[in-house]
Amino acid sequence: KNEVEQSPQNLTAQEGEFITINCSYSVGISALHWLQQHPGGGIVSLFMLSSGKKKHGRLIATINIQEKHSSLHITASHPRDSAVYICAVIPRASNFGNEKLTFGTGTRLTIIP
Amino acid sequence: DGGITQSPKYLFRKEGQNVTLSCEQNLNHDAMYWYRQDPGQGLRLIYYSQIVNDFQKGDIAEGYSVSREKKESFPLTVTSAQKNPTAFYLCASSNARVGGELFFGEGSRLTVL
Repeated sequence: KNEVEQSPQNLTAQEGEFITINCSYSVGISALHWLQQHPGGGIVSLFMLSSGKKKHGRLIATINIQEKHSSLHITASHPRDSAVYICAVIPRASNFGNEKLTFGTGTRLTIIP
Repeated sequence: DGGITQSPKYLFRKEGQNVTLSCEQNLNHDAMYWYRQDPGQGLRLIYYSQIVNDFQKGDIAEGYSVSREKKESFPLTVTSAQKNPTAFYLCASSNARVGGELFFGEGSRLTVL
């Protein structure tokens, strides 16, 4: 079974700091998702990527397929970024879809004003 | 606005009772999913459906049942056979099996008294 490991488990930072959250996985993948879970429980999809780098506002996601590693970066962090960030992967196979997603346990980020 | 609506947000159940969690989407997505989230664990797939009138068991289907009579609706019933039903339940949908962005509801928190 594919393992997804996230680090750190918890992260507290001051407003304005540059944030990095890491995700490592153990098998080849066809896609990787970064998700954000709000304190109320709802989840929002941030990125879906299979190679390279994607940017949306202050958020940047990168993936290194050879090293089986992805990072989520937040620039100029703000208290509203406080949430749990979840990495999820789909193992590479011709017929695997989102039903094969394996989720990490999440990184809880707290940004202090 | 398009999205996924889950209800109720909070639900209390006595042991031995069945309860049904509602999930409705107006995104015209074919694929829908039910996940369970427990503290310290990644999301786990209960059931999924890729088309109307068809659904498949996920990793932890025992004690749960679903139906998919309409494209928009994918209700989950937590039966009395589920040994440890207290958890946070999330519904999601996507417009493609592979590489499709996931859209989540706000979740339903079930507590068994």
